[in-house]
Amino acid sequence: NAGVTQTPKFRVLKTGQSMTLLCAQDMNHEYMYWYRQDPGMGLRLIHYSVGEGTTAKGEVPDGYNVSRLKKQNFLLGLESAAPSQTSVYFCASRDGGWDSNEQFFGPGTRLTVL
Amino acid sequence: RKEVEQDPGPFNVPEGATVAFNCTYSNSASQSFFWYRQDCRKEPKLLMSVYSSGNEDGRFTAQLNRASQYISLLIRDSKLSDSATYLCVVNLYNQGGKLIFGQGTELSVKP
Repeated sequence: NAGVTQTPKFRVLKTGQSMTLLCAQDMNHEYMYWYRQDPGMGLRLIHYSVGEGTTAKGEVPDGYNVSRLKKQNFLLGLESAAPSQTSVYFCASRDGGWDSNEQFFGPGTRLTVL
Repeated sequence: RKEVEQDPGPFNVPEGATVAFNCTYSNSASQSFFWYRQDCRKEPKLLMSVYSSGNEDGRFTAQLNRASQYISLLIRDSKLSDSATYLCVVNLYNQGGKLIFGQGTELSVKP
């Protein structure tokens, strides 16, 4: 099992460009999450999904969109990148069981917006 | 006020030392509690869950005080390999399994 994978690992964008980050998990998890991590800020939730075809806003959703067309994939889109979106982006997934609280994280995508 | 606050770091300790991290949370609806470990430039990984009765895993002991909304992590006999950032994490009740992360406390264990 690969667990949670993220594509790409690194990316540099210019202000105004768009891009999509891909998260894939092979654990048949129901729930998937996108976070961003900035120095001194901890991880902040951008959007999440509790199942295929559903998405919801997290703490910092502005400037991002997501889609969960397939259970195993969770896409994060930046419509018009801004320097404030320079960050490390982590995807995570977890099982839907009531006692399954552990989230499994991907290796992260390091994004720089110039 | 942040929902989850941790001791500011970094903590610099010698090998073999005992070190304690503290964390407070503001939302009384918090249901589950965890400590995650994050190595430099890597993804967070679950270290241990925190139970009301307190729990131990080898050199690591976690405590929860719901009345004071306080969580702690004690590391005994620190190893060089314990150097990492420790994240205090809470799960709010009935909110899609969302985790709220503290900003993390960096630990550096020196020879």
